[in-house]
Amino acid sequence: DTGVSQDPRHKITKRGQNVTFRCDPISEHNRLYWYRQTLGQGPEFLTYFQNEAQLEKSRLLSDRFSAERPKGSFSTLEIQRTEQGDSAMYLCASSMTGGRSPLHFGNGTRLTVT
Amino acid sequence: SQQGEEDPQALSIQEGENATMNCSYKTSINNLQWYRQNSGRGLVHLILIRSNEREKHSGRLRVTLDTSKKSSSLLITASRAADTASYFCATDAVDSNYQLIWGAGTKLIIKP
Repeated sequence: DTGVSQDPRHKITKRGQNVTFRCDPISEHNRLYWYRQTLGQGPEFLTYFQNEAQLEKSRLLSDRFSAERPKGSFSTLEIQRTEQGDSAMYLCASSMTGGRSPLHFGNGTRLTVT
Repeated sequence: SQQGEEDPQALSIQEGENATMNCSYKTSINNLQWYRQNSGRGLVHLILIRSNEREKHSGRLRVTLDTSKKSSSLLITASRAADTASYFCATDAVDSNYQLIWGAGTKLIIKP
């Protein structure tokens, strides 16, 4: 069990650029979640996959955000035409299916939009 | 939207003392979970308590759940400097479709 890994750890980009983040979940975990967290706040749900199917997406999520999980393994989160308000920590988590299992988080990708 | 609310927002105590954090929530739940987050890192799961449980222990952690008051508490006994972190409660609401709802956390500082 190597844990959930996220890449990159930090990303600085200029407003208007596109960015893509990657998450590799724990291999036997079927569920994968993306969250966003700003300073002093708890994680805010963005989207959730079970295997390769994207089952839920936050209503608050702009259509500039898209996530994929091809073949039900790693996942990518893309933000198009970044805005300064997108600056945050983006967290990925995975969990087992079969009941309501706790989440295992990666260390996140910190995005700064200048 | 955030359902859980932690109290206090920040807590500073001396090493060796006990730390108590509280969480309140609004709807019926399947379970409530506590997580720890060190600065700049991801969250680490600490303990999960189901709606039909009233108390659970794990090492120096004790969690209680009062579903009638829709509240939970996390007690850390004999605190250590390494316990310095933010602590979050997350509720798995009955109608949530596996989506946890998070509070804003309690920032705990343990002074040596």
